[in-house]
Amino acid sequence: DAKTTQPNSMESNEEEPVHLPCNHSTISGTDYIHWYRQLPSQGPEYVIHGLTSNVNNRMASLAIAEDRKSSTLILHRATLRDAAVYYCILRAVSGNTGKLIFGQGTTLQVKP
Amino acid sequence: EAQVTQNPRYLITVTGKKLTVTCSQNMNHEYMSWYRQDPGLGLRQIYYSMNVEVTDKGDVPEGYKVSRKEKRNFPLILESPSPNQTSLYFCASSLTSGFLYEQYFGPGTRLTVT
Repeated sequence: DAKTTQPNSMESNEEEPVHLPCNHSTISGTDYIHWYRQLPSQGPEYVIHGLTSNVNNRMASLAIAEDRKSSTLILHRATLRDAAVYYCILRAVSGNTGKLIFGQGTTLQVKP
Repeated sequence: EAQVTQNPRYLITVTGKKLTVTCSQNMNHEYMSWYRQDPGLGLRQIYYSMNVEVTDKGDVPEGYKVSRKEKRNFPLILESPSPNQTSLYFCASSLTSGFLYEQYFGPGTRLTVT
């Protein structure tokens, strides 16, 4: 499985944008990039996913580099509720057992 | 409300006393799985099920059993719990195992085996 690398931790101020990076230099051409987050004392929750084009949904935006070797999850206005561990996960198109490979993720701290 | 429920949420037990952690989803999902989360090791998959009566091992299946007799339920069974199974357990479900489908996680079960 292709590996992802994320910073261990990041800080943000409330109501400011946050850019969470993820490196995946060994990504294959058909791997999708998924992001999940885990709020304190909760199970992980899906945030967004994409293949090549940038994606937006109600929670966040996903910017994918042209060579697909990196991506960035963008929270447009961080709130205190966004303090969580964010995981960048690659999901293969074929041979999919449904397993999500969680790395160490990035712990986001949001300051009021 | 679409959700995955787990029971119990907290459990303290002793070595060797059989226990079952239940997992139920109300979204008619075909795919369900169990993960354990440990400090420094992250989340690791224990077992998964593609559909009723179809289960398979994940990365850390030793000491666990599962069954999938109904679509909505996927219980995790520890026949003879040991202290190394002290962990935080999460059940997850998805429409299918396909890469495009988001997975929904339960709130977690914190298990302590003494």
